[in-house]
Amino acid sequence: GDSVTQMEGPVTLSEEAFLTINCTYTATGYPSLFWYVQYPGEGLQLLLKATKADDKGSNKGFEATYRKETTSFHLEKGSVQVSDSAVYFCALIHTGNQFYFGTGTSLTVIP
Amino acid sequence: EAGVAQSPRYKIIEKRQSVAFWCNPISGHATLYWYQQILGQGPKLLIQFQNNGVVDDSQLPKDRFSAERLKGVDSTLKIQPAKLEDSAVYLCASSLELYETQYFGPGTRLLVL
Repeated sequence: GDSVTQMEGPVTLSEEAFLTINCTYTATGYPSLFWYVQYPGEGLQLLLKATKADDKGSNKGFEATYRKETTSFHLEKGSVQVSDSAVYFCALIHTGNQFYFGTGTSLTVIP
Repeated sequence: EAGVAQSPRYKIIEKRQSVAFWCNPISGHATLYWYQQILGQGPKLLIQFQNNGVVDDSQLPKDRFSAERLKGVDSTLKIQPAKLEDSAVYLCASSLELYETQYFGPGTRLLVL
């Protein structure tokens, strides 16, 4: 069945460092892919999404490219800030199916 | 635009007690979801409504969990009786239609003692 695998955390970076959080998926066909972010004490917020191969989602300096050939949707940011400290979830949905979330990757950015 | 509202935000109960959670989705959103998020894990779908009909409840423990969405707007999720392993955050989400982007509420954090 469909599934999402994220790199395990926690991840700790210094401010202005480069961020990559890996996400790979297993699905037949062409699912839509998402990154959600969960700040402490809050619900999940949509960060970005991509609905077809080679699409690039971007928001707030974060980017992720839908790579069909490697079944990946890695999240990247060139320069992280303390305010980016949160838990990041990769997810997919397939028409006729439900949302599948990864286990989440906790990011802490230190000044 | 108002987001998804949930209440209460926190609840502490003893095992074998009952508890209910409430969700008000974004106005106009036809689809409503309830998720269970256990600490350190991603959200797991419990039940999905399209208007006031159930689309998927395959992962809902029906011996103790129930949910309804009367009139196709607000929804309640109930646990009766609660077990220790039900301690989790219960997230409600809504989307304009099935299989579209989901928007989440702040969640209800449940602790069962």
